[in-house]
Amino acid sequence: QVQLQESGPGLVKPSETLSLTCTVSGGSISSYYWSWIRQPPGKGLEWIGYFFYSGSTNHNPSLKSRVTISEDTSKNQFSLKLSSVTAADTAVYYCARVNIVATINAFDIWGQGTMVTVSS
Amino acid sequence: QSALTQPASVSGSPGQSITISCTGTSSDVGNYNYVSWYQQHPGKAPKLMIYDVSNRPSGVSNRFSGSKSGNTASLTVSGLQAEDEADYYCSSYTSSSTLIFGGGTKLTVL
Repeated sequence: QVQLQESGPGLVKPSETLSLTCTVSGGSISSYYWSWIRQPPGKGLEWIGYFFYSGSTNHNPSLKSRVTISEDTSKNQFSLKLSSVTAADTAVYYCARVNIVATINAFDIWGQGTMVTVSS
Repeated sequence: QSALTQPASVSGSPGQSITISCTGTSSDVGNYNYVSWYQQHPGKAPKLMIYDVSNRPSGVSNRFSGSKSGNTASLTVSGLQAEDEADYYCSSYTSSSTLIFGGGTKLTVL
C-alpha cells in the first residue's frame, strides 16, 4: 500500500530555510493532491499548503510568501521549503495525500511526521 | 484564516455517546461538504475518520458518524470505548481554495 516518509534536517537556525522531502512509495505521485501539515509541540494541526501533480499549488495565507512546495516526479517525491524561519516554526511536519482518485476529499494517508526545531 | 472552533475537551463513560462540534463560517463549513475529521493518539500521526461530512473510510468503525447543519459540523462517537480516547480535529475546504483545521478536542473516556 501507499506509504509516505518525511525526511530532512531536525534542526534549523533562525532566519534560514527549512527544507523537507516527502517520499511516496507503493504508488504514483500523479493524479493526487499532496499537502504539508504541521503541529507545534502541544498544539493543534496547521495546514501549510498543497500541490497537484499538474503543477497547481496553494498555501496558508498566514505563512505569506515563505512557502514553496514542489515535486520531483522522477523520484516520486515532493518537497517543502519554508524561508526565514523563527522559533514559531518549530513543529512536527507531516506530509499527507488527498485521494481525489477515490473521491476522498480528505487526507487519507499521512507520513509518520518529522520533528523540526528552529534554534541557534 | 481563523481556525474552526471546537470544544477543548469532551468526556463520556464507556458505552455512552458523545458529540464534538466544529463551527466555521459561510466561507468554509457552511458552503462546502468537504468537512473531514481526524483522530490522533499521542505521538502518532492523525488518522482519517470521516470525510465529505459523513462518509467513513474503509476500516473505520461505524460507531463514528458525521453530520452538518449550517456552519457547524459534528462528529458523534457512539458506544464509547477506551481506545477512542484521543484528540480529534475537524478540517474544511474554504472559499479561498485553502484548507483549515479546528483547534482540536481532547476526548476522555471516563
